[in-house]
Amino acid sequence: AQSVTQLDSQVPVFEEAPVELRCNYSSSVSVYLFWYVQYPNQGLQLLLKYLSGSTLVKGINGFEAEFNKSQTSFHLRKPSVHISDTAEYFCAVSLTGGGNKLTFGTGTQLKVEL
Amino acid sequence: NAGVTQTPKFQVLKTGQSMTLQCAQDMNHEYMSWYRQDPGMGLRLIHYSVGAGITDQGEVPNGYNVSRSTTEDFPLRLLSAAPSQTSVYFCASSYWGGQGAETQYFGPGTRLLVL
Repeated sequence: AQSVTQLDSQVPVFEEAPVELRCNYSSSVSVYLFWYVQYPNQGLQLLLKYLSGSTLVKGINGFEAEFNKSQTSFHLRKPSVHISDTAEYFCAVSLTGGGNKLTFGTGTQLKVEL
Repeated sequence: NAGVTQTPKFQVLKTGQSMTLQCAQDMNHEYMSWYRQDPGMGLRLIHYSVGAGITDQGEVPNGYNVSRSTTEDFPLRLLSAAPSQTSVYFCASSYWGGQGAETQYFGPGTRLLVL
């Protein structure tokens, strides 16, 4: 079975500073990788996804993530954050060709401060 | 398109009461699923369906029932609510098979409190 680890439960950062949210996964087979964002009292919105091909994936709102197969990681980055990026971010995996079931990490709360 | 809609937005139940959480989508998606979100635990899959008449269990199915009579609707039933079912419930949908099937769309959630 696959699993996802988000080691940082909270990440405080000042506005306009860069940020990296870490995600590591475990799976014996190939996976798709996703980052979702959840703004307060809202549902989940897809930020970006890695299916295959280029390991650097660009998403919405200036976020990007890099798939590293050897380190089984899919860290999310943004070079300059804004107050509006304050939200909870979830990393998730699903099996390639094995259905759509998502396995989520426990989430990272990003708090952007002035 | 309204996307994925969920009703109600909030609900308070007493232990032992039953209720149905409604989920509907207008994207003609074959795949629909229910997740629950608890603090520090992320989202966990309760039940899912790959089409009308076909459902299966996810990671935490106990205490919940589902059925899928139409492509659009996928209700989640709590037959006898327990305080452990206090959570935020999300419904999601996607295509099944082929390009684009991997991307799921989430509803706004239902916040349930069981006293």
